[in-house]
Amino acid sequence: NAGVTQTPKFQVLKTGQSMTLQCAQDMNHEYMSWYRQDPGMGLRLIHYSVGAGITDQGEVPNGYNVSRSTTEDFPLRLLSAAPSQTSVYFCASSYGQGRGTDTQYFGPGTRLTVL
Amino acid sequence: RKEVEQDPGPFNVPEGATVAFNCTYSNSASQSFFWYRQDCRKEPKLLMSVYSSGNEDGRFTAQLNRASQYISLLIRDSKLSDSATYLCVVNKYTGKLIFGQGTTLQVKP
Repeated sequence: NAGVTQTPKFQVLKTGQSMTLQCAQDMNHEYMSWYRQDPGMGLRLIHYSVGAGITDQGEVPNGYNVSRSTTEDFPLRLLSAAPSQTSVYFCASSYGQGRGTDTQYFGPGTRLTVL
Repeated sequence: RKEVEQDPGPFNVPEGATVAFNCTYSNSASQSFFWYRQDCRKEPKLLMSVYSSGNEDGRFTAQLNRASQYISLLIRDSKLSDSATYLCVVNKYTGKLIFGQGTTLQVKP
């Protein structure tokens, strides 16, 4: 199993550009989520999905879109990049959200800089 | 007030020391709890899950106090390789996990 994979590992964008961060998992997990991590802020939830076709907003969703057309993939789209979106982005997945199924497995992260 | 609070540290301890971190949470509906370890610029990895009163795994012990709404992590016989940031995570089974900002541990020779 590859676990949770993310591409790209590093990305530099100019203000106003758009891009998609890719996330895939091969563990047949229903729950997937995107977090951003900024210094001193911990991980903050951007969007999450409890299954294919179902997504919902997290704590900091503005400026980001997601879709979940398959169980395996959960891409994160930046619509018009801003310097405030400079961060490290982590994708995570878990089997479910209940007791004993909610352990999150993280991808290696994407380090994004917006100039 | 943050929903999950941790002392960011850093905690500087010598090898072999015992060190304890606390994490407080504000929502009594919280159901399950985790400690994750994060090395510099790497992804968080699960250290321990806590679903009832506590859990123990080798040198690591986690305790849950629902009445006072805190979770603790105790590390005995600290190793240099324990140097990392330890994240406290709370799940209310609403689909949203809440992360604390992390506690940094530096173990010195």
